[in-house]
Amino acid sequence: LAKTTQPISMDSYEGQEVNITCSHNNIATNDYITWYQQFPSQGPRFIIQGYKTKVTNEVASLFIPADRKSSTLSLPRVSLSDTAVYYCLVGDKTAGNKLTFGGGTRVLVKP
Amino acid sequence: NAGVTQTPKFQVLKTGQSMTLQCAQDMNHNSMYWYRQDPGMGLRLIYYSASEGTTDKGEVPNGYNVSRLNKREFSLRLESAAPSQTSVYFCASRDRVPVQETQYFGPGTRLLVL
Repeated sequence: LAKTTQPISMDSYEGQEVNITCSHNNIATNDYITWYQQFPSQGPRFIIQGYKTKVTNEVASLFIPADRKSSTLSLPRVSLSDTAVYYCLVGDKTAGNKLTFGGGTRVLVKP
Repeated sequence: NAGVTQTPKFQVLKTGQSMTLQCAQDMNHNSMYWYRQDPGMGLRLIYYSASEGTTDKGEVPNGYNVSRLNKREFSLRLESAAPSQTSVYFCASRDRVPVQETQYFGPGTRLLVL
């Protein structure tokens, strides 16, 4: 399983863009990159998933360079409610494969 | 459509007691997972079930057993609880889709072992 490395924490202010980079140097050819968000006292929830280049949805963008050894989650114009822990996961799509969560990045959005 | 449900929400045990955490999903997913999350830490996989009738160990299986009762239900059993098992336990389910897949998590069970 590809190991991921993320910053432990990041602070930001309302209205700013937050970029969280995840390193996954030994990502395999069949692996996808998935990001989850977890609020206190709740289970994680899916944010975005990608394989290469750029993916965008209504919540975030995911940038993946050509070598795929890292990825960056971009949260545009954050609000206080975006304060959460963000996890980067790498794994293939085989149903039933175990996915390993790292320590995540704790994002604190200040007023 | 309730998604993933877990019972109980909160439990206090004494060292040596046993209990079973229940998890059910109504999304017809094949794969189900049990994680634990210690305070301030990430999630660690305890056991998972790729499909009905199969179970496999995750990162931290010691002290736990699981049963995939049917496609909907996946239970986690602590035979002899220890204070080190104090944690929040999350159940999740996942299915294979051609374009994108996610894990759906339950609300968690908070377990305190005294």
